[in-house]
Amino acid sequence: GQQVMQIPQYQHVQEGEDFTTYCNSSTTLSNIQWYKQRPGGHPVFLIQLVKSGEVKKQKRLTFQFGEAKKNSSLHITATQTTDVGTYFCAEHQMNRDDKIIFGKGTRLHILP
Amino acid sequence: KAGVTQTPRYLIKTRGQQVTLSCSPISGHRSVSWYQQTPGQGLQFLFEYFSETQRNKGNFPGRFSGRQFSNSRSEMNVSTLELGDSALYLCASSLAGGSFFADTQYFGPGTRLTVL
Repeated sequence: GQQVMQIPQYQHVQEGEDFTTYCNSSTTLSNIQWYKQRPGGHPVFLIQLVKSGEVKKQKRLTFQFGEAKKNSSLHITATQTTDVGTYFCAEHQMNRDDKIIFGKGTRLHILP
Repeated sequence: KAGVTQTPRYLIKTRGQQVTLSCSPISGHRSVSWYQQTPGQGLQFLFEYFSETQRNKGNFPGRFSGRQFSNSRSEMNVSTLELGDSALYLCASSLAGGSFFADTQYFGPGTRLTVL
């Protein structure tokens, strides 16, 4: 089935460095959500973006929704060991019977 | 407030058998969604129930079915199990007062199903 493109698949960064993951869709999205899953855990909701060009911040995390509502990004400033995990975007595509499609996630590993 | 609970946490079955998984949402939440998570395919949406009715459905064969009870608890059933059904099955609940994506989804710990 169709899968939203999420890149990169893996990312290793030194503690203190920044990190960004991207989600791209070929179709216009109704909205997008971001989740974090710690190793051995379950996904935890982070945020939902709805408006074109929307930018939301949660402490060191910055979420953006593209102007055309076809892409989104999650940026973490000055990563910490607690940021380790897999970050997923979940897209709700317009005119697609309310299908919810998750990206395959970006696994973030922090080097001490 | 208690979180989403799923039972059982681990399950081992053989090919051809069927399995029923249970999910109890957060008190007051009326929407329950089910997901399958595998290393190869990632997190895939199975279906969503709201007020005992299936409101959304993903691209899974008819062997996968579900239902929701009047107390919002939900069950998922997989019949004629195949090796490829081995996965972590997650359920998530939300208030879902409006559209499906209007509310935060709270995931349970999942049921790890192994099919031999």
